[in-house]
Amino acid sequence: KNEVEQSPQNLTAQEGEFITINCSYSVGISALHWLQQHPGGGIVSLFMLSSGKKKHGRLIATINIQEKHSSLHITASHPRDSAVYICAVSSSRNEKLTFGTGTRLTIIP
Amino acid sequence: DAGVIQSPRHEVTEMGQEVTLRCKPISGHDYLFWYRQTMMRGLELLIYFNNNVPIDDSGMPEDRFSAKMPNASFSTLKIQPSEPRDSAVYFCASSLGQGGYQPQHFGDGTRLSIL
Repeated sequence: KNEVEQSPQNLTAQEGEFITINCSYSVGISALHWLQQHPGGGIVSLFMLSSGKKKHGRLIATINIQEKHSSLHITASHPRDSAVYICAVSSSRNEKLTFGTGTRLTIIP
Repeated sequence: DAGVIQSPRHEVTEMGQEVTLRCKPISGHDYLFWYRQTMMRGLELLIYFNNNVPIDDSGMPEDRFSAKMPNASFSTLKIQPSEPRDSAVYFCASSLGQGGYQPQHFGDGTRLSIL
């Protein structure tokens, strides 16, 4: 079993829909990271959080430390949100990130 | 401030050749990471440095791979000799560290194809 599990692996939705991507982890962490990667593109850090909720524009990330679970929400989704979203966790013991396998999101106009 | 800069963006070379990938981290960042991304295995950490010193190279696949960081503003990842299975996108990232509480900033990656 991977230390970081994401679901779903693939998600296709219509423009305007509310999107939720889930991440569960099985190890102790110092922080959870959400990353975005557009096709053929680089990797951008969207959020880093260790408790509660963070919001940036139409993106919202939440984490429940007790349940070892995080969600990434996108409101009013747009085709430009189409990308792979990657969950990763970092440990306070070192600086290494452990990655989930990613969720490929496609938003249809 | 400029982000993490990687070069080249694309590299196509023949099996057996030496390949050198380069990375310039964000100024002031004391951690530098090298990652490899493939369809089969996703993102994998190869090695990371703290203050130019290699801390963990357990992800380096074999002796054909080596990485150096001669100063705070430059790092290289070298593959010699290269093999087709080394084909992947290689990312460099840097961060301020502090116990995993800082985000990592990624470069645009080097897409490597070994023929």
